[in-house]
Amino acid sequence: KAGVTQTPRYLIKTRGQQVTLSCSPISGHRSVSWYQQTPGQGLQFLFEYFSETQRNKGNFPGRFSGRQFSNSRSEMNVSTLELGDSALYLCASSLGNLVYEQYFGPGTRLTVT
Amino acid sequence: AQSVAQPEDQVNVAEGNPLTVKCTYSVSGNPYLFWYVQYPNRGLQFLLKYITGDNLVKGSYGFEAEFNKSQTSFHLKKPSALVSDSALYFCAVRDPRTGGFKTIFGAGTRLFVKA
Repeated sequence: KAGVTQTPRYLIKTRGQQVTLSCSPISGHRSVSWYQQTPGQGLQFLFEYFSETQRNKGNFPGRFSGRQFSNSRSEMNVSTLELGDSALYLCASSLGNLVYEQYFGPGTRLTVT
Repeated sequence: AQSVAQPEDQVNVAEGNPLTVKCTYSVSGNPYLFWYVQYPNRGLQFLLKYITGDNLVKGSYGFEAEFNKSQTSFHLKKPSALVSDSALYFCAVRDPRTGGFKTIFGAGTRLFVKA
């Protein structure tokens, strides 16, 4: 079974621009979560989607948004990029029940200049 | 609010010796607890979890962890470390009452296993 895939793997953007990251979960997984990983803050939960609905949201500004499609693929958008948004963005998928672990993709490395 | 603490930034151990990576948590009620490992330039890989039942859980690559409710701890252990175990380890907690997958991760502990 194919793992979680994320595109693109690397991205360089300029401050003020916007960016869209994509995540394809493992086949059959209906829950997709997004995390931001930085050396200073570690792994921070952004949001989680299940069956196209956002179930949980972390403490990030409204510039960070996401959505999930009917095939469970998910996108994350960051508008008006700031230097501090430079990070590794990880997507994780799961079967959807709370007892299940998450499977992580390799991440998208975003650099904002 | 839920939180996770990994008190050690780094753990050094010689190959063949036992290793312990510490984790304590703060969650009201009964938590779901997880350990993940991250190798360089790769995403996180699931190692093991505690949901309910036996306090000692076994996972991938010979790792195990013991849930201790009174001490609110979930330390990761391995009887005999390998050089290939060198990586970044994350403890994570989920509060089942939230009804979702909001998972809180610790800051991570870097494990160095010396040959």
